[in-house]
Amino acid sequence: NAGVMQNPRHLVRRRGQEARLRCSPMKGHSHVYWYRQLPEEGLKFMVYLQKENIIDESGMPKERFSAEFPKEGPSILRIQQVVRGDSAAYFCASSPVEDPTTYEQYFGPGTRLTVT
Amino acid sequence: GQSLEQPSEVTAVEGAIVQINCTYQTSGFYGLSWYQQHDGGAPTFLSYNGLDGLEETGRFSSFLSRSDSYGYLLLQELQMKDSASYFCAGRDTGFQKLVFGTGTRLLVSP
Repeated sequence: NAGVMQNPRHLVRRRGQEARLRCSPMKGHSHVYWYRQLPEEGLKFMVYLQKENIIDESGMPKERFSAEFPKEGPSILRIQQVVRGDSAAYFCASSPVEDPTTYEQYFGPGTRLTVT
Repeated sequence: GQSLEQPSEVTAVEGAIVQINCTYQTSGFYGLSWYQQHDGGAPTFLSYNGLDGLEETGRFSSFLSRSDSYGYLLLQELQMKDSASYFCAGRDTGFQKLVFGTGTRLLVSP
């Protein structure tokens, strides 16, 4: 049973370019979460999605960031016109159901974004 | 909102026992989780407390007291491979997101 997959693992972009990060949840999981981790800091929630729906985007910056989880294919986190401050590790996590008693989120290996 | 505070660093020797505390201020959440993260790696789930009290999983135990807004992770028989960062996380009641603590870096020495 494959775990959460993210690609690319490392991504280098110049300032002003676009970054597209992909996440395939575990088989049978329909809930996806994106977190960002700056160097030497904890993880910060960005967005929670179900298939074709954004459930909670309270952690997303208002500009340049967007996320989707289409009916078919992986979830995509898109960062337009990247700036140096966007350099971070971006982790995706998935869980099987929207149930308060389901307490474990399974994390992918992350995408390390470096903006030069 | 939620905020979870942890000590920034803890050091211990192999074979010892160490406790990592987590104090929080929150408007409500479904329990406290603990995650381990090695440098450059992904967070991996360790333990969860949905109710007050102690949960034991092998060498790791976790405790929660809602009345004191406090929890801890207890690691026994420390091994070198336990050197990592440890995060407590509150599970939001509204939308299931995890709110992570500030993280504790554990250094285990021979």
